[in-house]
Amino acid sequence: AAGVIQSPRHLIKEKRETATLKCYPIPRHDTVYWYQQGPGQDPQFLISFYEKMQSDKGSIPDRFSAQQFSDYHSELNMSSLELGDSALYFCASSEEQGQQFFGPGTRLTVL
Amino acid sequence: DAKTTQPPSMDCAEGRAANLPCNHSTISGNEYVYWYRQIHSQGPQYIIHGLKNNETNEMASLIITEDRKSSTLILPHATLRDTAVYYCIVSAWSSNFNKFYFGSGTKLNVKP
Repeated sequence: AAGVIQSPRHLIKEKRETATLKCYPIPRHDTVYWYQQGPGQDPQFLISFYEKMQSDKGSIPDRFSAQQFSDYHSELNMSSLELGDSALYFCASSEEQGQQFFGPGTRLTVL
Repeated sequence: DAKTTQPPSMDCAEGRAANLPCNHSTISGNEYVYWYRQIHSQGPQYIIHGLKNNETNEMASLIITEDRKSSTLILPHATLRDTAVYYCIVSAWSSNFNKFYFGSGTKLNVKP
């Protein structure tokens, strides 16, 4: 079965640089979520989109923005990167009773 | 904020049933109980979910108490590959989206 695809899987950036993470949901899933998991921490909800509109927002820094496109894929844009942004970033998509299916994650390292 | 309480860790012998408890005493009527697990740094893996009835699938069984204030995830025959952090999450599904607040979960150690 098709799963959530995330790219890139690994990303290394310098402080103050910009990063873009991409997420391709499971076909026919129209809701996408982004989570951040710092080292030794539990996943934290960042933001979600339904039908290309932002549906909810969590603890997402103002330096981050995201959008969902007409083909339902989503991108998380991160600017002015800080050392503390180093984390795993997971994307998930959901179906009719809210089961979220997570991608493999993007590991972002900020040097 | 997470609305669930789970023990931080549990041990289970390989081949035995693993019973993972979760307290969610403030659960609302429209909130589902979802269980996920995370193996090392992989993406959280969906296991099972339920509203008020007990549920079973090929991976596990979910037992929800009648008052819905607690639940138990049962892995009937634990294997070494079931060693992971297990998260119990309660969340309402409305308007085609929800959001998950992950608590600290239970680290299940399956031992030979």
